[in-house]
Amino acid sequence: AQSVSQHNHHVILSEAASLELGCNYSYGGTVNLFWYVQYPGQHLQLLLKYFSGDPLVKGIKGFEAEFIKSKFSFNLRKPSVQWSDTAEYFCAVGGSQGNLIFGKGTKLSVKP
Amino acid sequence: KAGVTQTPRYLIKTRGQQVTLSCSPISGHRSVSWYQQTPGQGLQFLFEYFSETQRNKGNFPGRFSGRQFSNSRSEMNVSTLELGDSALYLCASSVATGGAYNEQFFGPGTRLTVL
Repeated sequence: AQSVSQHNHHVILSEAASLELGCNYSYGGTVNLFWYVQYPGQHLQLLLKYFSGDPLVKGIKGFEAEFIKSKFSFNLRKPSVQWSDTAEYFCAVGGSQGNLIFGKGTKLSVKP
Repeated sequence: KAGVTQTPRYLIKTRGQQVTLSCSPISGHRSVSWYQQTPGQGLQFLFEYFSETQRNKGNFPGRFSGRQFSNSRSEMNVSTLELGDSALYLCASSVATGGAYNEQFFGPGTRLTVL
């Protein structure tokens, strides 16, 4: 069965630190990959997605993710985090039936 | 454009009861998906409806059911509630079918507590 693993449950950073959140998926075929974010008190929203093409994908708010097929990974990065990036981040893969399969999420706390 | 709305926002029920949750998608969106979110299991896919037809279903027991109306509004029903059904139930809409292919727009969720 397809699955998504997010390695870190809770990450704490200071402002201006660099961020990398790990995401690995298990699926050997063509994949569509997503990162969703949930800010405190807000709805889940799409940060970025990868369907094909350039494996380095840029999203909103300065986030980017790199698809590495050989490692089954889709890690999320940001060079310099801000306090406003405090949120929960979810990696997801498109399932073979067309639905989304989510990882369990990583909580990011950014200290001002 | 109004976002995805879900009603009610909070519910408290007792074991054995049944519950109906409602979701109104963004205008023009024909796909509605439902997810259960718990601290232990994270976000798990329940089912998706598109044009009043169930397109996909996750691994949940038959106590969980849903439907979609001609105006794309969707309802989810859980019968014979169990304590483990306590969760945040999220609804997501998209223009076309399949969250795997299309951006999904999520609602605020309904927090269900089963006592």
